[in-house]
Amino acid sequence: EDQVTQSPEALRLQEGESSSLNCSYTVSGLRGLFWYRQDPGKGPEFLFTLYSAGEEKEKERLKATLTKKESFLHITAPKPEDSATYLCAVQADAGNNRKLIWGLGTSLGVNP
Amino acid sequence: KAGVTQTPRYLIKTRGQQVTLSCSPISGHRSVSWYQQTPGQGLQFLFEYFSETQRNKGNFPGRFSGRQFSNSRSEMNVSTLELGDSALYLCASSSSPGTGIKNSPLHFGNGTRLTVT
Repeated sequence: EDQVTQSPEALRLQEGESSSLNCSYTVSGLRGLFWYRQDPGKGPEFLFTLYSAGEEKEKERLKATLTKKESFLHITAPKPEDSATYLCAVQADAGNNRKLIWGLGTSLGVNP
Repeated sequence: KAGVTQTPRYLIKTRGQQVTLSCSPISGHRSVSWYQQTPGQGLQFLFEYFSETQRNKGNFPGRFSGRQFSNSRSEMNVSTLELGDSALYLCASSSSPGTGIKNSPLHFGNGTRLTVT
């Protein structure tokens, strides 16, 4: 069964304390892996798409990497405004249908 | 460019009633997807529409239905509301449907918070 697991469920960091969030997946035929950020009371905001193992994407303090079994979202020197829930979604091989499998997210808090 | 707009932002309904939620996609986007988000289940896919046709459907009962208009705007309807339908309902638009087309991620609205009492 296709599954996406994110860890940890929650993480609290001090400002400037770098860390990584994990998204592990078991799907038949990965078509793409997406990272989103969701602030309280808002919809998810698109961050990155990764398509193949070894691919990396960067945006400000965030860097996403992909292997054959998992993806990491590295946060370098985080600031309080990076506090949010980070969601991972995997698009499995399902013909021409968009059917994303979502993780439950990692809630990140950054203390000033 | 205006983002995805969902109305209303909040709704309080009673069990047994029905509700209609509205979504206006980003201009030029013809694909609209609907999701239900709850703390325990995360994001659950409801359905996707492209050019007024339902392309894909999640595992929700028939009480959940949707449609898309010629201007790509979409509505979602839930009939005979149950307490378990309380959730954040999210709409997302994309420039293309399906998989395999790069640079076409989902763009979400801020959702409609539905509370069923």
